Amino acid sequence: AQRVTQPEKLLSVFKGAPVELKCNYSYSGSPELFWYVQYSRQRLQLLLRHISRESIKGFTADLNKGETSFHLKKPFAQEEDSAMYYCALRDGGTDKLIFGTGTRLQVFP
Amino acid sequence: EAQVTQNPRYLITVTGKKLTVTCSQNMNHEYMSWYRQDPGLGLRQIYYSMNVEVTDKGDVPEGYKVSRKEKRNFPLILESPSPNQTSLYFCASSPRGYNEQFFGPGTRLTVL
Repeated sequence: AQRVTQPEKLLSVFKGAPVELKCNYSYSGSPELFWYVQYSRQRLQLLLRHISRESIKGFTADLNKGETSFHLKKPFAQEEDSAMYYCALRDGGTDKLIFGTGTRLQVFP
Repeated sequence: EAQVTQNPRYLITVTGKKLTVTCSQNMNHEYMSWYRQDPGLGLRQIYYSMNVEVTDKGDVPEGYKVSRKEKRNFPLILESPSPNQTSLYFCASSPRGYNEQFFGPGTRLTVL
């Protein structure tokens, strides 16, 4: 079954600390994975897609097929990173996005 | 400006009173989808449409209807709302086969 698991509901860190938001997936084919972010009172927006191998706002995510993981990392958290983060898996046949339950990141000054 | 719009943004209604939440996109996207967002459950897909006149059920379609008569519009219809449909609803669109979905601002619905 296709599934995305984000084990942490809340992650709290101090400014400047490293951050890792965990995401594990279950998918039978070749996965397409994304991180979406939702800042307070704003719409969801794409942060990262694994195929781009890019770094956005200092965040990176590497697809590990062996561990079926796509963890989101940032070496030095900033207060403006406080938001809800969703890991998502795309079903290539239907364009459906399967979301995890989300992790709220709180960065304290 | 390329965007997905939803109306209304906030709605309080009573059980059983039919309502429609509109979704419109001006990007000529084929794919459109509705999600509901609930605490601890994340986003769950209600219905999606891969093109005009083509709609299909998502993970939580019970109590909802949709239609896709025009490419730009994808309204969500609650024929007889119930309190368990109190939620935050998001519409999204994307070009067919494209991996990024563009989300609307959300509609917060409360059913009393």
